[in-house]
Amino acid sequence: GQQLNQSPQSMFIQEGEDVSMNCTSSSIFNTWLWYKQDPGEGPVLLIALYKAGELTSNGRLTAQFGITRKDSFLNISASIPSDVGIYFCAGQLGGNNRLAFGKGNQVVVIP
Amino acid sequence: GAGVSQSPRYKVAKRGQDVALRCDPISGHVSLFWYQQALGQGPEFLTYFQNEAQLDKSGLPSDRFFAERPEGSVSTLKIQRTQQEDSAVYLCASSLANGQSYEQYFGPGTRLTVT
Repeated sequence: GQQLNQSPQSMFIQEGEDVSMNCTSSSIFNTWLWYKQDPGEGPVLLIALYKAGELTSNGRLTAQFGITRKDSFLNISASIPSDVGIYFCAGQLGGNNRLAFGKGNQVVVIP
Repeated sequence: GAGVSQSPRYKVAKRGQDVALRCDPISGHVSLFWYQQALGQGPEFLTYFQNEAQLDKSGLPSDRFFAERPEGSVSTLKIQRTQQEDSAVYLCASSLANGQSYEQYFGPGTRLTVT
């Protein structure tokens, strides 16, 4: 299946710091999405990106759709304790298609 | 408003038993997806419905897995003769799919443990 590589796999950050995470793929996607998953819950959609080069913000979150359509990054500014969780990138060929997920990035915020 | 709901939230089955997992999508959502999430991994696609039609079942790992959505709303994922490797979280997602919005919204999942 399609492989999405997320890096780094886990991050320990101080409260108030910014954090960036990256997702790359060997395949081109037409849509990139970022989800956050808390323990025992399903993934929650954070940001969806539809155009190569697009930069989109949602509160303290900013995500970009790489111009090659093979990568995306997510930035969280001024982290707070509730940012703890696993962040997944997902690629979609577009329209009504399945999502291909990365393995996730565990973020731990130290107060 | 109500999100995607799944039941049961937890299921323990003895090896060889059949199980049925239920998904109630967001009202009015045309598309419904099932994913399997192993521990420490991202979700993996299983199957997809548009209304009552199962358009893609290429992700189902074996013929022991069967999904249906007979009236285009509630869906059931059935696993026959469960094996230990079936232990995972089973996630359901729905999408409006109205030509403008294809974002998938997930339920809380059903954690299946096969002993």
